[in-house]
This record gives sequence, structure tokens and C-alpha cells, in this order.
Amino acid sequence: GQQLNQSPQSMFIQEGEDVSMNCTSSSIFNTWLWYKQDPGEGPVLLIALYKAGELTSNGRLTAQFGITRKDSFLNISASIPSDVGIYFCAGQDAGNMLTFGGGTRLMVKP
Amino acid sequence: EPEVTQTPSHQVTQMGQEVILRCVPISNHLYFYWYRQILGQKVEFLVSFYNNEISEKSEIFDDQFSVERPDGSNFTLKIRSTKLEDSAMYFCASKIDRGVWSNQPQHFGDGTRLSIL
Repeated sequence: GQQLNQSPQSMFIQEGEDVSMNCTSSSIFNTWLWYKQDPGEGPVLLIALYKAGELTSNGRLTAQFGITRKDSFLNISASIPSDVGIYFCAGQDAGNMLTFGGGTRLMVKP
Repeated sequence: EPEVTQTPSHQVTQMGQEVILRCVPISNHLYFYWYRQILGQKVEFLVSFYNNEISEKSEIFDDQFSVERPDGSNFTLKIRSTKLEDSAMYFCASKIDRGVWSNQPQHFGDGTRLSIL
């Protein structure tokens, strides 16, 4: 099946620092999505990317859909304690199922 | 903002018993999904459902699993004879439709934690 490689697996940063995480795939996806999951909750959509090369921002978050449609990155600027959680990339194919990356666990030190 | 709701939040079941997990998708959504997340692992696709039939299913979704849309609002996942390895978080998701909205993202519920004893 399709595999998404997400890195890094975890990050421990100081409040105020910028964060960058990325996903790569051997397969092409039509849509790339970034979700955040807090403990005991479901994934919450952060950003959706629909076109190759697209760069989209949502507040302090910026994500890009790679030109090859096989990768994406997510940046968080000026991190704050509530950014703590697990961030997942997900690729959506023509069949509409989502393939998730392994997640990046973000920890922010005040 | 409309939400996907799931019940119960936590289900404890004896191995071999049947379990039904319930979901109420967002009301104008027509495409429904179940995903599974084993503790500490990534979210895995189980099944998608559209127009009252299964659209896609993964290898995980074997004969022990079934889905149903019993009425206009609920979407259920049934596991007929649970195994220890079925212990996981089960997430329901929905999205608006295919066609011109086919790229719309899926929205997830908060999940049901299934514990098999």
C-alpha cells in the first residue's frame, strides 16, 4: 500500500521558536492535508492543499504542496505552548481514502 | 461549527463479543469513513461508504467488520467477534460529497476507544 514518511518523529523546542516538519511519498496524491491531534481527541484539520506547488497559510501555520505531488511541509512560526500535540500529514488519492504519515510529536517548553 | 459525533467515547468488551460503534456524520455530508488508530501508531484507513454501499476497504476490514447506514443520520461499524488486537481508537469521518467537491477534506470525530479484555 501507499506509505507516507513523516519527519521528524518528535521535536522538543523552546516557546517562540519556529517549527518545520515534512512528509514524503513514493506515490502521487491529489490532495495533501495536515491534521493536529490532541490527547483523547480526533484529528483536527489545519490546512488542506489541492494544487501542486500551492502554498497556504492559516495564522502561524504555513504548508506547501510539493511540485511533484509527492511531498509537503508544514511550518509553525513563533510556537506557543498550545501548539503541543501530534501533527499528521495525510495524502488523499482519487479514491478519497486518506493515507496518514506516522506523526510528529511536538513538545514546547515555556 | 458542525461536528462528527461518536458514541460511546469508551467501550470495554470481552473478547469474542460483538461490538457496534456509532457515528453521526455532519448532516449535509454524504461520504463516510472509518479509521483505526492503535495506541502510539498512525491512523489507518478501514472503509469508505457512499450511496449506501462500501466504496473502498483496506486489508484490515475483513469479514469480521461491517458498516451500515441504518437511518438518515447514523453510520455504524460492527465487529462481530472481537479479538484482543482490535483494541484501538476508532475514528469516524465524513466529507461533503464527490464531484466538484471531491477535494473537500474529511472531518473527524473524537473517536471511540475500544478496549478488548
